[in-house]
Amino acid sequence: DTEVTQTPKHLVMGMTNKKSLKCEQHMGHRAMYWYKQKAKKPPELMFVYSYEKLSINESVPSRFSPECPNSSLLNLHLHALQPEDSALYLCASSQDRGQGGGYTFGSGTRLTVV
Amino acid sequence: RKEVEQDPGPFNVPEGATVAFNCTYSNSASQSFFWYRQDCRKEPKLLMSVYSSGNEDGRFTAQLNRASQYISLLIRDSKLSDSATYLCAVNIIGTALIFGKGTTLSVSS
Repeated sequence: DTEVTQTPKHLVMGMTNKKSLKCEQHMGHRAMYWYKQKAKKPPELMFVYSYEKLSINESVPSRFSPECPNSSLLNLHLHALQPEDSALYLCASSQDRGQGGGYTFGSGTRLTVV
Repeated sequence: RKEVEQDPGPFNVPEGATVAFNCTYSNSASQSFFWYRQDCRKEPKLLMSVYSSGNEDGRFTAQLNRASQYISLLIRDSKLSDSATYLCAVNIIGTALIFGKGTTLSVSS
């Protein structure tokens, strides 16, 4: 299995809703990442998990809350989002954060906040 | 100054053309380098890693110049299916993969 699977593929949520994005990989990768991508912009790093521990938070607002329940799963909990948070949310994984290898990306969750 | 700079294009070329994309990075702690391809409304997919000695994969050639902090991608004999956005990416020690803005390529018949 050489894939990163993200669910849901599309999500529409209101500003008062609470929702979660899920990401799963079975490649034995020990580093997992959340990126946010707006239209016509590059992916922007949000969070990095290494060996199931949060190692980087790129000053992301607290309305985004990551969680890594185990080495294969990564969640992103969403609460009280704003319309400007609408974007493609990409999960990625890599063998090990320190090795500098390429990342495998999931197909993303396209989020619309109304 | 941005960590990774790319000319956004767009590059509009006919089939069969050779096209080159460039990318510069500012952080000397950059340790590994990549080119990704992203199709419209899809995720980025790793095209190739970039090594100091240069590397080739079919019609694609990547080069890295550490002294000038510059990476490049050359596409020969462009195909319609090469139309996409090409993102250079740099893995910086202590952080993670940082992307350039991407260069849009449109190949026409």
